[in-house]
Amino acid sequence: AQKITQTQPGMFVQEKEAVTLDCTYDTSDPSYGLFWYKQPSSGEMIFLIYQGSYDQQNATEGRYSLNFQKARKSANLVISASQLGDSAMYFCAMRVRSYNTDKLIFGTGTRLQVFP
Amino acid sequence: DSGVTQTPKHLITATGQRVTLRCSPRSGDLSVYWYQQSLDQGLQFLIQYYNGEERAKGNILERFSAQQFPDLHSELNLSSLELGDSALYFCASSVGTEATNEKLFFGSGTQLSVL
Repeated sequence: AQKITQTQPGMFVQEKEAVTLDCTYDTSDPSYGLFWYKQPSSGEMIFLIYQGSYDQQNATEGRYSLNFQKARKSANLVISASQLGDSAMYFCAMRVRSYNTDKLIFGTGTRLQVFP
Repeated sequence: DSGVTQTPKHLITATGQRVTLRCSPRSGDLSVYWYQQSLDQGLQFLIQYYNGEERAKGNILERFSAQQFPDLHSELNLSSLELGDSALYFCASSVGTEATNEKLFFGSGTQLSVL
C-alpha cells in the first residue's frame, strides 16, 4: 500500500541552526513524486519543494533541501539557518497515480518550533 | 497567495444541516481536489475533478458530493452534517497534466464547525 510516514510529531530547533524533518514512503510504482508542504498557524498549505523518483540530484529551494535516499525510501527535508517564521506544521506528501486515482497522500506532519 | 480561492473562510452550522463550500481554481488549472483536515484523521483526500469530470475518489462519505462547473469552479456539498464533520476543508488545483512533478496549489481552506 502507498503510504507516507512522518515519525516526528514535534521538533525544536534554535534560530539559525539547521533541522532535518524525517519522511519515509512506501510505493511499488517506479515513477512517483515527493513533496513537502508547510502549514503555518494561519492554516494555508504552502508548497516548499519537490523530488522526482528519477531525479539524480537532491532538490534544493533556497534554504530548503531534500535528502533523497531512494534505496531507503526516505525523503527528509532539511531546513538550513532556521528562522522564527519557519515555525509551522510540515507535511511530506507523495503523488499517487493509477487508472482510477490521482492524488497527493500526506503524512501526519511534524510540528516545528523555532526558538530564539 | 496561491491563486486558489475558497469561500467561505468560516462556517458554523448545526447537526443535520447542509452546507456548500466553494472553490475557484488558479487561472488555467483544470484539476480541482478536495481534502479534509481533522485532528484525528489528518489530511484526507476526498475527490478530484478534471475539466468538469470526476476523476478520482477518496474517502468521501455518501453524504458528501461535489461537482465542477463549466467555468471550472467547484463546489463541495456536505449534508446531514454530524459533529465529526467539523474540520478544515481544502480545495487545491493543478494544471492537470500527467506529470508526477505537478504540484497542487491549495486554497486557504474553509473551517467548518458543526455544533
